[in-house]
Amino acid sequence: NAGVMQNPRHLVRRRGQEARLRCSPMKGHSHVYWYRQLPEEGLKFMVYLQKENIIDESGMPKERFSAEFPKEGPSILRIQQVVRGDSAAYFCASSPQRGPEQFFGPGTRLTVL
Amino acid sequence: KNEVEQSPQNLTAQEGEFITINCSYSVGISALHWLQQHPGGGIVSLFMLSSGKKKHGRLIATINIQEKHSSLHITASHPRDYAVYICAVPGRGGSQGNLIFGKGTKLSVKP
Repeated sequence: NAGVMQNPRHLVRRRGQEARLRCSPMKGHSHVYWYRQLPEEGLKFMVYLQKENIIDESGMPKERFSAEFPKEGPSILRIQQVVRGDSAAYFCASSPQRGPEQFFGPGTRLTVL
Repeated sequence: KNEVEQSPQNLTAQEGEFITINCSYSVGISALHWLQQHPGGGIVSLFMLSSGKKKHGRLIATINIQEKHSSLHITASHPRDYAVYICAVPGRGGSQGNLIFGKGTKLSVKP
């Protein structure tokens, strides 16, 4: 049973480009969480999704950020028109049901030039 | 909203020492996580506990629900324990899925 997978592991974008980060949850897990870790800062919750539904997006920036978890395929965190301040490590986690037990992916490190 | 405080922020130990990292939170919870973030950035879940004590190898985690406090102990610390140790609790309502994280404790162990 493979763990949570994220790709790419490293992503470099120039200012103004779009970044797409993918997260494949563990088999049998239908809940996905995205977290962001800015340089030298702690992890912060961004969004919680269940298949085809956004449950809680209270941590998402109001503009340029969106997330989805379609019926088929990975969860996608999309950042439009990236700025240097978006440079961070983005982690996703998954769980089989709603609740605190989560399994983390290896993260995607986004660098905006 | 839950607030999470960890101490110390940085910890340097001599190999073989018993070390303790503390975590306090402000709102009642259903469970608490201890996570380990490696120097390369990857995150590993060490424990999830809702009461009492759990042990895995040289790692021991305890929680006191009444006092809203948890500790992570490493017995016989080793240089390979070098990592940031993070405590996390559920967000709103104490039982929701999204987590709130402490700022982490950076542990270095000298040989």
